[in-house]
Amino acid sequence: QSVLTQPPSVSAAPGQKVTISCSGSSSNIGNNYVSWYQQLPGTAPKLLIYENNKRPSGIPDRFSGSKSGTSATLGITGLQTGDEADYYCGTWDSSLSAGHWVFGGGTKLTVL
Amino acid sequence: QVQLQESGPGLVKPSQTLSLTCTVSGGSISSGSYYWSWIRQPAGKGLEWIGRIYTSGSTNYNPSLKSRVTISVDTSKNQFSLKLSSVTAADTAVYYCARASYSSGWPVKHYGMDVWGQGTTVTVSS
Repeated sequence: QSVLTQPPSVSAAPGQKVTISCSGSSSNIGNNYVSWYQQLPGTAPKLLIYENNKRPSGIPDRFSGSKSGTSATLGITGLQTGDEADYYCGTWDSSLSAGHWVFGGGTKLTVL
Repeated sequence: QVQLQESGPGLVKPSQTLSLTCTVSGGSISSGSYYWSWIRQPAGKGLEWIGRIYTSGSTNYNPSLKSRVTISVDTSKNQFSLKLSSVTAADTAVYYCARASYSSGWPVKHYGMDVWGQGTTVTVSS
């Protein structure tokens, strides 16, 4: 059971737009930055979005992030077959004295 | 361009200690506002954060693993390491090391894990 809640799967046709939600609480998303990671089959996760809505160099602007309260959303426009991957949200959780990172359970994106 | 590489035994016996090392290349482990984490992923499952270390040696661990985990750093070798004791089959996973950026103000802001190793598979079996 992950601390952050994501839908297990989403799907859309090539060229379309999809959003992936990530729900948490005041101890994590509500008071910390959210980052998003793309994991292509058989590879390591890759940072897609940091600080809620910023893209690292090299990440196309088809990928966007937003945060409102205790939830965050990853948006992907102009879907391509190469976007088929697992997507994870992550953030710091301040609920215990020391704090720790938490991730969502992951969302599998299928481009139909 | 900073790169990370995990190394260590791919097979560990139950009840023994899993030991992995992450070597940082392309830059100094001590440069910039970064800390260094271990994350694992059982086959077909999601990501689980294990813990992190600053180059000062300060650590934080996942509460569910805290009693079995030790993370250390060797800045002279540009490496940091993971030890997980009393392993069971449930510890079988791909283990990743990663770099995370943060701001050193208060409260600390955690930006995200921007560099990851390729991962190493560890199987716990007799």
